[in-house]
Amino acid sequence: KNQVEQSPQSLIILEGKNCTLQCNYTVSPFSNLRWYKQDTGRGPVSLTIMTFSENTKSNGRYTATLDADTKQSSLHITASQLSDSASYICVVSAQLGTYKYIFGTGTRLKVLA
Amino acid sequence: GAGVSQSPRYKVAKRGQDVALRCDPISGHVSLFWYQQALGQGPEFLTYFQNEAQLDKSGLPSDRFFAERPEGSVSTLKIQRTQQEDSAVYLCASSLDFRAGGSYNEQFFGPGTRLTVL
Repeated sequence: KNQVEQSPQSLIILEGKNCTLQCNYTVSPFSNLRWYKQDTGRGPVSLTIMTFSENTKSNGRYTATLDADTKQSSLHITASQLSDSASYICVVSAQLGTYKYIFGTGTRLKVLA
Repeated sequence: GAGVSQSPRYKVAKRGQDVALRCDPISGHVSLFWYQQALGQGPEFLTYFQNEAQLDKSGLPSDRFFAERPEGSVSTLKIQRTQQEDSAVYLCASSLDFRAGGSYNEQFFGPGTRLTVL
């Protein structure tokens, strides 16, 4: 069973538009949640990291939110660019000090000109 | 180096062949991780090294999988008698020192090796 679920599975938007990706998790206990960007043929690159006490974290045009009560997170991309085309993966660490990341299956985003 | 590097980037093997995948972590990084990423899926943990010590190999799917890091730097993931279900991207990640906590445990990923078993 996958403890980290992401939606949508794939998304196509036009350049300049905004979009929001969703992540629901059942991992417990919960330590922190990361969003990664994975370009085709590349390894994942960290965008944001949030602990259970943080509600929002921004990195440029990327803004992540976290609701630890409902176990939901979102990644909002503002003014999308062609280079945003990639897979976005939600990653949860189950407990403080664990190295075992639990990965979601990702959302594949395609930005069209 | 500037980042984690892996070689080869692509490997095609006939069923039953042995393969060896190499990972060069970021210089000075003590912790090293291997992941398996099936098509359309997120990575799944295989094994973890702290320096040359393999502290966790609970994610290795079978005894055909073997990993080593003899000098605490470069690591090799070996798969013996490859099967079609071994086809996946194998990702390596390193961190400064997982045990130190904080930003020291941020994992940096390599580009992966795509293994195709025919």
